[in-house]
Amino acid sequence: AQSVTQPDIHITVSEGASLELRCNYSYGATPYLFWYVQSPGQGLQLLLKYFSGDTLVQGIKGFEAEFKRSQSSFNLRKPSVHWSDAAEYFCAVGAKSSGDKLTFGTGTRLAVRP
Amino acid sequence: GAVVSQHPSWVICKSGTSVKIECRSLDFQATTMFWYRQFPKQSLMLMATSNEGSKATYEQGVEKDKFLINHASLTLSTLTVTSAHPEDSSFYICSAPAGGTWGAQYFGPGTRLLVL
Repeated sequence: AQSVTQPDIHITVSEGASLELRCNYSYGATPYLFWYVQSPGQGLQLLLKYFSGDTLVQGIKGFEAEFKRSQSSFNLRKPSVHWSDAAEYFCAVGAKSSGDKLTFGTGTRLAVRP
Repeated sequence: GAVVSQHPSWVICKSGTSVKIECRSLDFQATTMFWYRQFPKQSLMLMATSNEGSKATYEQGVEKDKFLINHASLTLSTLTVTSAHPEDSSFYICSAPAGGTWGAQYFGPGTRLLVL
């Protein structure tokens, strides 16, 4: 069974600083990996996804993530954080064998210092 | 982009009553919808897969008789929490697959349920 670990429950960064949110997965084959963002009062929104190919994927809102098979990681990065990026971020893993089902990590809450 | 709505956004009910939560895909059709439950500071836990025209598929450990799911049309799925108890208080979220992008889902804003 697949699983996802987000080691950081809460992270605070200053506006303009860089950001990296960690995500580690466990799955026997090549997983399909996703990052979603959840803002208060809104549904989760897909930031980016990795299926295959280039291990560095670009997403919306200036986010990117890098798939590292050797480390079973799919960390989310942004070079310069904006105050509007404050939200909860979820990493998720899926597999073709499980249909459209996703397994989510516990999330990382991002706070942005002015 | 595609929108999924949920109604109500929050509900308070007495223990022993039933509560119905609606999930609608507003500008697309969804033969499948997912229902999740999210506890504070925890991950989204998949409860069941709602299938239009057939029975829902429940995840292990989820009580079918407790959480009734009906996928009445290609744009509507409902979750009914029957005989609700305080331990059913949670944040319930629905989603629908984003056609053409495998694994990506459109999520509703969630429904917060508080059972007194």
